[in-house]
Amino acid sequence: GAVVSQHPSRVICKSGTSVKIECRSLDFQATTMFWYRQFPKQSLMLMATSNEGSKATYEQGVEKDKFLINHASLTLSTLTVTSAHPEDSSFYICSASRAGGAWETQYFGPGTRLLVL
Amino acid sequence: GIQVEQSPPDLILQEGANSTLRCNFSDSVNNLQWFHQNPWGQLINLFYIPSGTKQNGRLSATTVATERYSLLYISSSQTTDSGVYFCAVGGDYKLSFGAGTTVTVRA
Repeated sequence: GAVVSQHPSRVICKSGTSVKIECRSLDFQATTMFWYRQFPKQSLMLMATSNEGSKATYEQGVEKDKFLINHASLTLSTLTVTSAHPEDSSFYICSASRAGGAWETQYFGPGTRLLVL
Repeated sequence: GIQVEQSPPDLILQEGANSTLRCNFSDSVNNLQWFHQNPWGQLINLFYIPSGTKQNGRLSATTVATERYSLLYISSSQTTDSGVYFCAVGGDYKLSFGAGTTVTVRA
């Protein structure tokens, strides 16, 4: 149990286009989902936290108008990178938590590699 | 936010060797998890261990919350244990990740 999927696994796009990444909890309901980005050989940095049916909470320094997050159901959250630029190229990883509290285990998706040309 | 330090940053092991990875954190936490990130980037949950000791096969972990550290033990290492091991801690709803320990197990 506790499987999280992401789609697509990798995407290449041209500068200026928008890219949508989906994160799904396959066998549980996720009241809270988290979006991270990871640059090569670095750690994971939390971008935002999304709760089903409410606006996402963004970490300091993350542009909410550039990284649009929607958590429309208890099993799906989407991250849209708008007007992508080469510096947005990164590994984007989502996670999902059953209860949303810090003491609940987060289960991670396999990640999406984004390359912006 | 909570600061997380992992050591050592890199570890090279001969197959069959044992090792200990350490995670120090700067404040009290409600959540502490150990992950293994495989070469394809997938994060695999190893332990949810805000306190106490747990074992799962060749892996075990101990967290001493009062002294703000956690240890991950790998025994009889195998080449499939290679990858990056992350410690992540949370005081509230967020997890803060350490920089990771890159483990290379040689046959």
